[in-house]
Amino acid sequence: DAGITQSPRYKITETGRQVTLMCHQTWSHSYMFWYRQDLGHGLRLIYYSAAADITDKGEVPDGYVVSRSKTENFPLTLESATRSQTSVYFCASSIRGAPNNSPLHFGNGTRLTVT
Amino acid sequence: SQQGEEDPQALSIQEGENATMNCSYKTSINNLQWYRQNSGRGLVHLILIRSNEREKHSGRLRVTLDTSKKSSSLLITASRAADTASYFCATDASGNTGKLIFGQGTTLQVKP
Repeated sequence: DAGITQSPRYKITETGRQVTLMCHQTWSHSYMFWYRQDLGHGLRLIYYSAAADITDKGEVPDGYVVSRSKTENFPLTLESATRSQTSVYFCASSIRGAPNNSPLHFGNGTRLTVT
Repeated sequence: SQQGEEDPQALSIQEGENATMNCSYKTSINNLQWYRQNSGRGLVHLILIRSNEREKHSGRLRVTLDTSKKSSSLLITASRAADTASYFCATDASGNTGKLIFGQGTTLQVKP
């Protein structure tokens, strides 16, 4: 979907390195999310943000840092990458949150390999 | 733990048959959503059903919601090979937090 883009598409990094995954949306959606997808676990929420400068933890936040200084950007940083963080990472955005949730729009993902 | 869990994990059918996937969740919800994911791509929203609705249709898709049983089902009628994908349900966590929790998904294979 052209409205939400993730970069890079693929990334290989070494254990202990810091890596940042980028997410940019052009709709000015209030809510943005980061999920990771692993076989056997489905999608798990890492962090989400209800608006600029407002972020909150999801199910699996340890080892990750997020920021949201601008509405359209929501970068995800792995401060010191570990092999267990090898995964496919999806960014998503939506207009509204609870109680009147609106659909999520997903990027095409970043496949991260930590060696 | 996951809020939503799909059943079955995998489903294989012939083209033209109907496919039914189920989702169970644990806590009260405001609404439940279904998504589809083709291999190597992001998820695409299919349908949203609110907690005060019991059934919703969209083309060949039919979604039901039973809040007393904390379950939902997605029915795809007259399936096509192009329906081959993974299907996920998502629910908002208890409370008005805005975050959506996904189940592990059902992988559907439709054989031509």
